[in-house]
Amino acid sequence: GESVGLHLPTLSVQEGDNSIINCAYSNSASDYFIWYKQESGKGPQFIIDIRSNMDKRQGQRVTVLLNKTVKHLSLQIAATQPGDSAVYFCADNGSNDMRFGAGTRLTVKP
Amino acid sequence: NAGVTQTPKFQVLKTGQSMTLQCAQDMNHEYMSWYRQDPGMGLRLIHYSVGAGITDQGEVPNGYNVSRSTTEDFPLRLLSAAPSQTSVYFCASRAYDYNSPLHFGNGTRLTVT
Repeated sequence: GESVGLHLPTLSVQEGDNSIINCAYSNSASDYFIWYKQESGKGPQFIIDIRSNMDKRQGQRVTVLLNKTVKHLSLQIAATQPGDSAVYFCADNGSNDMRFGAGTRLTVKP
Repeated sequence: NAGVTQTPKFQVLKTGQSMTLQCAQDMNHEYMSWYRQDPGMGLRLIHYSVGAGITDQGEVPNGYNVSRSTTEDFPLRLLSAAPSQTSVYFCASRAYDYNSPLHFGNGTRLTVT
């Protein structure tokens, strides 16, 4: 079936550096993508979304880039802070049978 | 707003016991779903519902039953618990429109011995 998946299971960055988390998807008909953040002991929380008619969307310190040609999206976090330490998931929201990848665990070093 | 509320937070069962994981949302969302999360496996969809009276299977439905008698509630039943069902379970909801994000509860950690 169709799936989404992240490229790296773990990512470690220095506090203050920028972080980039990458994700690939397989359904070329997908038109809506979401990034979620999951802190320890909590459920995933919505960070930012992007529709297929856009290449880039910015939020507060976060940017999502979508490359439909290679079916790839990325989450960029500017000036990474200790509070950004979490597991990040991308999801293809285009159906009721919504699948997630395994997530990337981001660790921020002081 | 409470959002998505799951109870209990923790549960220990013996093999063969049954139980119901409760999920309630107060956002009037039509769509609700259950996921399980195991180490290294990410979130796997168990069952979902697009409205009261309608349920459907996800990726890993075996061993679980659901029903949706009201818009607010979507309980997950384990009829005969097995150690393989040890996991963290998350309930989520969203509006019917695909173009809206899921809202997750904070999970139920289930251990089956």
